[in-house]
Amino acid sequence: EAGVVQSPRYKIIEKKQPVAFWCNPISGHNTLYWYRQNLGQGPELLIRYENEEAVDDSQLPKDRFSAERLKGVDSTLKIQPAELGDSAVYLCASSLDGGQGTDTQYFGPGTRLTVL
Amino acid sequence: QKEVEQDPGPLSVPEGAIVSLNCTYSNSAFQYFMWYRQYSRKGPELLMYTYSSGNKEDGRFTAQVDKSSKYISLFIRDSQPSDSATYLCAMSLLSSGSARQLTFGSGTQLTVLP
Repeated sequence: EAGVVQSPRYKIIEKKQPVAFWCNPISGHNTLYWYRQNLGQGPELLIRYENEEAVDDSQLPKDRFSAERLKGVDSTLKIQPAELGDSAVYLCASSLDGGQGTDTQYFGPGTRLTVL
Repeated sequence: QKEVEQDPGPLSVPEGAIVSLNCTYSNSAFQYFMWYRQYSRKGPELLMYTYSSGNKEDGRFTAQVDKSSKYISLFIRDSQPSDSATYLCAMSLLSSGSARQLTFGSGTQLTVLP
């Protein structure tokens, strides 16, 4: 079974440029998460989708970040414009809602963003 | 103060040693506790999870939770060079919906020397 796929794996951009990250979750997983992991830190949730609906985006900096999950499968996270402080690894995770609220989250390899 | 505190290390041990990794937390409402392993340039992968105080064993790994002290530990017996990675503790509330909101520690970097 294929895991969570993310692209690109690495991205280097100049500040004020836009950037987009793509995620394909594990087939059948209805819940999708975007996390940001700063160097030497644990992942921090940006947004969580259940199917197509963003059910928790309280930590998403909405002035410059946006996300979408069309048809409840793939998802795209966008930053426009990027700032130096956005340099981090952006992780996508997915889980299957078993109704228990404790579903295992499976992470992709992440996209390492460097803003110059 | 962060909700979850974890000693960042780095921790370096010889092969075969017993490793102890620890986290403390401040939110007494946390009920679900996990340990993730993250290899360099990879995403985290779930190692173990537990709901209750006490010990849970899985092969060479033992997870321990002490809710009264708000303290969790991961023990690795007979450590191997392949165990070299960053270990992240994570925890959440235990109600549908909020249980998916994980709070991670900052990770401990472990190196097991052959």
